[in-house]
Amino acid sequence: DQQVKQNSPSLSVQEGRISILNCDYTNSMFDYFLWYKKYPAEGPTFLISISSIKDKNEDGRFTVFLNKSAKHLSLHIVPSQPGDSAVYFCAASYGGATNKLIFGTGTLLAVQP
Amino acid sequence: DSGVTQTPKHLITATGQRVTLRCSPRSGDLSVYWYQQSLDQGLQFLIQYYNGEERAKGNILERFSAQQFPDLHSELNLSSLELGDSALYFCASSTRQLETQYFGPGTRLLVL
Repeated sequence: DQQVKQNSPSLSVQEGRISILNCDYTNSMFDYFLWYKKYPAEGPTFLISISSIKDKNEDGRFTVFLNKSAKHLSLHIVPSQPGDSAVYFCAASYGGATNKLIFGTGTLLAVQP
Repeated sequence: DSGVTQTPKHLITATGQRVTLRCSPRSGDLSVYWYQQSLDQGLQFLIQYYNGEERAKGNILERFSAQQFPDLHSELNLSSLELGDSALYFCASSTRQLETQYFGPGTRLLVL
C-alpha cells in the first residue's frame, strides 16, 4: 500500500521557468511533510518541510504548498536552474514517538539550459 | 556534506554471507534511522534508534538486525544474504526524534 505517491516519474522544464512537483498521500494521520533532492550516487539532501498546521512554507527559490483536504502537496522551484536536475522525493511522517519517513517513489526533474 | 558518514561505500558479497554496515551520525544527533532503497521499492524505512534504544521498526527482515552504540554510531547487520538484498542502504540522523533527518551517502550492496 503506497501511502505517499508521486505520480509523475519525470518532468522536464526550461531553465528560468517554474518547476512544479506533485505528491499525494492517503493517510490523514501524517502531520509533517518533507522534500528531499537526490543526485546519483549520493544520499537524499533535505530541501524544505512543512507542518500540517501550515499551508505554505517558503525558502528562497523553493516553496511547498500543502492542501490537507485534498491530501496533496507540491514543491515549486522558481526559477529553475540546471543544477536543480535531480530526483525529488516527498516524504511524510506521523510524528509522535517516532519519526520514520514514508517516501514517495520520486520524480526525476530535468532542467534544460 | 550532511555530516553523516557511512562505510563501506560499496560492498560485493555472495549469497548466504553476512555483512555489517556502519553509520556515524552528525555530531550531537541522538537518533539514527536506516533505510533501504531497492530498484522496485523506493526508499523503505527499516529501523530507528534513539540514544541507544530501538524506537521503531519498519519492514525489516528477521535476517537483519541493528544496534546503536554508546558513542551513538550504528551498525546494520545483514545475514544469510539473498540476491534480493542487493540495494542501497542509507543511514540518517536527527538531533531529536522529531527533527529533520539528514542522510549519509549510502552503502551500495551487491549480492552475487
